[in-house]
Amino acid sequence: DIQLTQSPSFLSASVGDRVTITCRASQGISNYLAWYQQKPGKAPKLLIYVASTVQNGVPSRFSGSGSGTEFTLTISSLQPEDFATYYCQHLSSYPYSFGQGTKLEIK
Amino acid sequence: EVQLLESGGGLVQPGGSLRLSCAASGFTFSSYAMTWVRQAPGKGLEWVSAISGSGGSTNYAESAKGRFTISRGNSMNTLYLQMNSLRADDTAVYYCARLDGDYAMDVWGQGTTVTVSS
Repeated sequence: DIQLTQSPSFLSASVGDRVTITCRASQGISNYLAWYQQKPGKAPKLLIYVASTVQNGVPSRFSGSGSGTEFTLTISSLQPEDFATYYCQHLSSYPYSFGQGTKLEIK
Repeated sequence: EVQLLESGGGLVQPGGSLRLSCAASGFTFSSYAMTWVRQAPGKGLEWVSAISGSGGSTNYAESAKGRFTISRGNSMNTLYLQMNSLRADDTAVYYCARLDGDYAMDVWGQGTTVTVSS
């Protein structure tokens, strides 16, 4: 089974900062990687799919990159509504799995 | 509007059973694979199971194999998860989600809470 490891697990940042979250896969998954944002008490929201394609309606400050085993999610200029938990997920083969999450908090 | 609405959660004793439902609207249900994802209190997301658009192919996480059964009723636009032999560690919010091919879970329901406790 493919394992995903996100880093960092916790991130403290300020409005306007540029932040990057990394997701590493235990084996190559091509570009079958998605990123989700989740706020407390809410369902996850799709941000990025196939590693770098931004979902319709997602602000352009979100971007993704990577292929194979290493991927990144970048938020170019943090906004107050971006403070949430972020998860990567692979869809390369079953069983699908998620990273453990990165909680982004206000500094 | 594309929408998923889960139901069927509740309190159940260890060893008991529960069937979750997910009603879909706003899209051609049979054209999409569907999936269940759960989240234990204070924990991360865990993929549980998936089913193809026709219902002919199913997949399960190791934690669900032999106890959970995913199915769908395309005429009713409804996804199901039959959960048997429930354990305390099955306590979670269960989300249904639409699979956009092998690319992502692009539409999510609001979740239904399952609590396994005596």
